[in-house]
Amino acid sequence: AQTVTQSQPEMSVQEAETVTLSCTYDTSESDYYLFWYKQPPSRQMILVIRQEAYKQQNATENRFSVNFQKAAKSFSLKISDSQLGDAAMYFCAYKDYGGSQGNLIFGKGTKLSVKP
Amino acid sequence: NAGVTQTPKFRVLKTGQSMTLLCAQDMNHEYMYWYRQDPGMGLRLIHYSVGEGTTAKGEVPDGYNVSRLKKQNFLLGLESAAPSQTSVYFCASSYSNWRGNQPQHFGDGTRLSIL
Repeated sequence: AQTVTQSQPEMSVQEAETVTLSCTYDTSESDYYLFWYKQPPSRQMILVIRQEAYKQQNATENRFSVNFQKAAKSFSLKISDSQLGDAAMYFCAYKDYGGSQGNLIFGKGTKLSVKP
Repeated sequence: NAGVTQTPKFRVLKTGQSMTLLCAQDMNHEYMYWYRQDPGMGLRLIHYSVGEGTTAKGEVPDGYNVSRLKKQNFLLGLESAAPSQTSVYFCASSYSNWRGNQPQHFGDGTRLSIL
């Protein structure tokens, strides 16, 4: 069974600095998708960024980028120029390409604090 | 833009009571999901549906039932609530898998406390 591991329960970053959140996963599949979701105190789950496993190019969305290392099964999230509004729980999630009906497997999350 | 709407947002139940959580989506998504979120556990899949009239078990289905009589609605039922079911419940929806890396869209969650 696929698993997702986020080894950092909590992280802290100074405003305007850069922080990287770690995520590793275990799968025997070659085609899959990876996601980072943000959950602010409002509890809403917000998609931050997504990556297709067949793409070698790392995904980027404004200040958010990923470092996808397929062989190492690693999918880290880099937040540049951190802002106070980035403070939230961040969840890494995995989805099979097919056969599992699109079910997401989540890591346990990393709580990010941003210091002014 | 309503997206995914969950009703109610908060509820307190006594052990043994029953209730139904309602999820409605207006994006014409085929797939719908129910998750529970517990401290330090991330989100775990309870049940899901790949279309109207279909349901399937997820990772933690015991104590819950679901129904999808209409494409836009997905109901989660607790027949006899137990304190272990105290949690935050999230509903999500998405297009079907064949459309590729379609993300799941989440509701705002329901905080349920069982006394």
